[in-house]
Amino acid sequence: EAAVTQSPRNKVAVTGGKVTLSCNQTNNHNNMYWYRQDTGHGLRLIHYSYGAGSTEKGDIPDGYKASRPSQENFSLILELATPSQTSVYFCASGDVRANSDYTFGSGTRLLVI
Amino acid sequence: GQQVQQSPASLVLQEGENAELQCNFSTSLNSMQWFYQRPGGSLVSLFYNPSGTKHSGRLTSTTVIKERRSSLHISSSQTTDSGTYLCALANNYAQGLTFGLGTRVSVFP
Repeated sequence: EAAVTQSPRNKVAVTGGKVTLSCNQTNNHNNMYWYRQDTGHGLRLIHYSYGAGSTEKGDIPDGYKASRPSQENFSLILELATPSQTSVYFCASGDVRANSDYTFGSGTRLLVI
Repeated sequence: GQQVQQSPASLVLQEGENAELQCNFSTSLNSMQWFYQRPGGSLVSLFYNPSGTKHSGRLTSTTVIKERRSSLHISSSQTTDSGTYLCALANNYAQGLTFGLGTRVSVFP
């Protein structure tokens, strides 16, 4: 079954440390996205990708990097984690040829202390 | 940038009641979608509906572009409908969606 899988599900990190959130999709979608969800702000787009080797800045990219080494994998990297990056992070994949085909992962809860 | 406003922020229903959720947007759009977010986090796409009316079981989505609004109607609500309903817009689908804050629906028996 086609899916988007995120790892880890939960993560506690220390301020200043490096954090990598991973996302794998089996939908064979070209487009992938990273969002964060916070109370009062809803879901906000951090980075997105058009395909392997592509990473683009979304609405709130500061403090985050992204990597798309393959069609299936899209990572979000926090080089120097800060408490303000405590949030729930969602990865998604989408097919622009079929706009209704937009699949989210289950989310990663990140706590930066 | 785009502004997406959802109302009401929350809704309490008794099982069997109907509900109407609203999404208003401030700019033109190319893509309009409704999602359901389960308690606990994951999102499921309900409708891709940039214009007109679509039905799926007890759910109906209606988008009126000229009036810059979309609605989601839930008929004969069930306890399993509880969760948060999010609308999302995009000018360019490949560049991601802009989400509203959602409507939290609680259905009690």
